[in-house]
Amino acid sequence: AQKITQTQPGMFVQEKEAVTLDCTYDTSDQSYGLFWYKQPSSGEMIFLIYQGSYDEQNATEGRYSLNFQKARKSANLVISASQLGDSAMYFCAMREALMDTGRRALTFGSGTRLQVQP
Amino acid sequence: DGGITQSPKYLFRKEGQNVTLSCEQNLNHDAMYWYRQDPGQGLRLIYYSQIVNDFQKGDIAEGYSVSREKKESFPLTVTSAQKNPTAFYLCASGRQGRTGELFFGEGSRLTVL
Repeated sequence: AQKITQTQPGMFVQEKEAVTLDCTYDTSDQSYGLFWYKQPSSGEMIFLIYQGSYDEQNATEGRYSLNFQKARKSANLVISASQLGDSAMYFCAMREALMDTGRRALTFGSGTRLQVQP
Repeated sequence: DGGITQSPKYLFRKEGQNVTLSCEQNLNHDAMYWYRQDPGQGLRLIYYSQIVNDFQKGDIAEGYSVSREKKESFPLTVTSAQKNPTAFYLCASGRQGRTGELFFGEGSRLTVL
């Protein structure tokens, strides 16, 4: 089974509007973290936002917010007031077993390509 | 400036040749990672290292090798045993801490001719 599922291969949004990118995850761990990264055409992965499984409030970072619904195992990224520079690939990722100091690698979804239209 | 440097940015290889991708970080992170990205797919973990002189296989380690002789460096060798090596390779490092996000280099694009 996929650990991270992003069901939207591509999305379009008008400049200045808000957009939601979907992410669902699968884990049996109680302690885990969820991440969103942006990948522009240059290829570098840019960290956007983090949500811990025990965090009581949804994470926010500037124009980015994470709509975390633990019971539904979803962690959707909301980008408000879209800008042309937001056009990129967006990846959802998870780290399981946060208490385990061993493997701390992230597992990534397949990504969503967002295109912001003027 | 602190960051992760990958080189070369583009690399062409003939079939049967080994190639080594360089990854250097000056963030003082203990952990380093190598990921592979294919078109239309997410990142898949090749190898990771939590500390100098120690590393573990990730999900797709076959045909790859790594070393970690220095904290700052984590080179990846793509061997001739890797059946489909054409891909985009990303190196990352990570710190301990509440979020523990990974920091990535700009990637190396390998093409097998």
